[in-house]
Amino acid sequence: DSGVTQTPKHLITATGQRVTLRCSPRSGDLSVYWYQQSLDQGLQFLIQYYNGEERAKGNILERFSAQQFPDLHSELNLSSLELGDSALYFCASSAYHRAYNEQFFGPGTRLTVL
Amino acid sequence: DQQVKQNSPSLSVQEGRISILNCDYTNSMFDYFLWYKKYPAEGPTFLISISSIKDKNEDGRFTVFLNKSAKHLSLHIVPSQPGDSAVYFCAASDIDSGGGADGLTFGKGTHLIIQP
Repeated sequence: DSGVTQTPKHLITATGQRVTLRCSPRSGDLSVYWYQQSLDQGLQFLIQYYNGEERAKGNILERFSAQQFPDLHSELNLSSLELGDSALYFCASSAYHRAYNEQFFGPGTRLTVL
Repeated sequence: DQQVKQNSPSLSVQEGRISILNCDYTNSMFDYFLWYKKYPAEGPTFLISISSIKDKNEDGRFTVFLNKSAKHLSLHIVPSQPGDSAVYFCAASDIDSGGGADGLTFGKGTHLIIQP
């Protein structure tokens, strides 16, 4: 158990809908990262937050957004969903904002868009 | 353009022997490398890391070797055990990106199968 929790475990929705994925980092970790794992692309970095502020962006679509709240939990919002958004979404946390510290991953949320 | 490549999608090794997983990278700015292990239906689990100032790092049965000139790293598992059967991901980071690092760049993984 990494100490990172993600809810829900599974989500099934329809195209055009909007969903919110939630992540609670390990106790004491200030950085939260979101990753998408699809069959053909592997694990792709989406976005990073550090202590409530956005720190880095990766391959995140404009339809996706995230935020980190004062209690350090984070939410990833996916809107106008398309079939191709079906994937595993992982959240990871680390102690510092620099990736020198290893990131600890949650169990993931499996999103299926029908 | 894949900056971290794991060219072997799968690898089969006998229990007790050495498992060697390979990873190549193209971005010369990468200076910190990590290996993660992943079981089905779970998130990746951190295994071992190495910074570019070293060429070797050991932790129990796991050793990571880094060859900066060849832009190549490898993970050695000795001896291999049945519980090592999993997908192994190589990941890289640029820690000197100035004011905070991006997320990790991952390879597509190698499925290691340990045969009894």
